[in-house]
Amino acid sequence: GAVVSQHPSWVICKSGTSVKIECRSLDFQATTMFWYRQFPKQSLMLMATSNEGSKATYEQGVEKDKFLINHASLTLSTLTVTSAHPEDSSFYICSARFLAGVGDTQYFGPGTRLTVL
Amino acid sequence: KNQVEQSPQSLIILEGKNCTLQCNYTVSPFSNLRWYKQDTGRGPVSLTIMTFSENTKSNGRYTATLDADTKQSSLHITASQLSDSASYICVVSAIEGSQGNLIFGKGTKLSVKP
Repeated sequence: GAVVSQHPSWVICKSGTSVKIECRSLDFQATTMFWYRQFPKQSLMLMATSNEGSKATYEQGVEKDKFLINHASLTLSTLTVTSAHPEDSSFYICSARFLAGVGDTQYFGPGTRLTVL
Repeated sequence: KNQVEQSPQSLIILEGKNCTLQCNYTVSPFSNLRWYKQDTGRGPVSLTIMTFSENTKSNGRYTATLDADTKQSSLHITASQLSDSASYICVVSAIEGSQGNLIFGKGTKLSVKP
């Protein structure tokens, strides 16, 4: 199946710093990528939809100036958490949309564990 | 309101036993239903995907069923293994081709004990 990678797999940073997370589709081109956040024992929550070459669409309640998304190519989207605070500590998961055959499906990355001290 | 409800919330079974997880949804218009397996600290991995016209799909020891009339789905795991311990998430896509319009259930946490 299609492979989506994320880097780094985990990161620990100090409060106030910025952290960049990369999401790559390794064997297919993804015109659309999605960023999710998952808190412990909770389901995935969609943060934003990222389209190659255009501005991301953010879900209600997600601050676009805090969570900067760049989708510069068909295989790479980045999420930058700016001025991170402890409440931003979470599991961030990206997915890439793959169109094939009768429909589309999303392939998820392995996730990035962010801990803000 | 589009919702996906899963039951049970958690389940403990002995290795080698079978189990069935349930998913009820109120999503319209319906496009497809997917079951994912998510290991702790990992991203979800797709197990099955079913469209409106499909009522069963298998992937090894995993068999998913779909009743589009009653808006129910189940995931049956046969001869469970320790590695089956994970969260199983039911996800419903609301509109075909819609970007990001996936509705996630909260998952069923399965623990397989030796």
